[in-house]
Amino acid sequence: GDSVTQMEGPVTLSEEAFLTINCTYTATGYPSLFWYVQYPGEGLQLLLKATKADDKGSNKGFEATYRKETTSFHLEKGSVQVSDSAVYFCALSLNTDKLIFGTGTRLQVFP
Amino acid sequence: DAGITQSPRHKVTETGTPVTLRCHQTENHRYMYWYRQDPGHGLRLIHYSYGVKDTDKGEVSDGYSVSRSKTEDFLLTLESATSSQTSVYFCAIRQQGAVKTDTQYFGPGTRLTVL
Repeated sequence: GDSVTQMEGPVTLSEEAFLTINCTYTATGYPSLFWYVQYPGEGLQLLLKATKADDKGSNKGFEATYRKETTSFHLEKGSVQVSDSAVYFCALSLNTDKLIFGTGTRLQVFP
Repeated sequence: DAGITQSPRHKVTETGTPVTLRCHQTENHRYMYWYRQDPGHGLRLIHYSYGVKDTDKGEVSDGYSVSRSKTEDFLLTLESATSSQTSVYFCAIRQQGAVKTDTQYFGPGTRLTVL
């Protein structure tokens, strides 16, 4: 069935380091892809999205490119801050009725 | 912020008691969803609604029922709570746009503990 696989966390980085969180998907059609972020004690916030192959979503310095050939949507940021510490969820949607989430990756950034 | 509130935000209850969680939205969205979040599972869909009195099951619907008598309110009921239903529950709405641009936005969550 359709699914999303994320790298296991936690990912631990120093401030200003480069971030990559891997996300790959399995889908029978052509999904839309999303990254959501959950800060401690809060709900999920949409970070960025892409709806077709080669689209790049970007927001707050984060980027992810929809790679159909590798079925991936890796999240990147050039220089992380302590305030980026959160749990990041990759998700896909095929028919817009339902979102399928990965298990989440916790990012910890230290000064 | 998509105008979504959830109540209560925290609840502790005992096994076998009924529990109702409320999701309220202020922007007249047609689609509403209930998810649960558990470690190692991400978020999983419990039920969703595509209009007043129109609902359907999600991936983990056993033990849960929902009702939607008004556009703005979507209720999730645990008829007889069990410890396996201890979780964080999130409500979401779908903001509809052009084809394939629909996006779900989430409420702040309800932390439920069943003792």
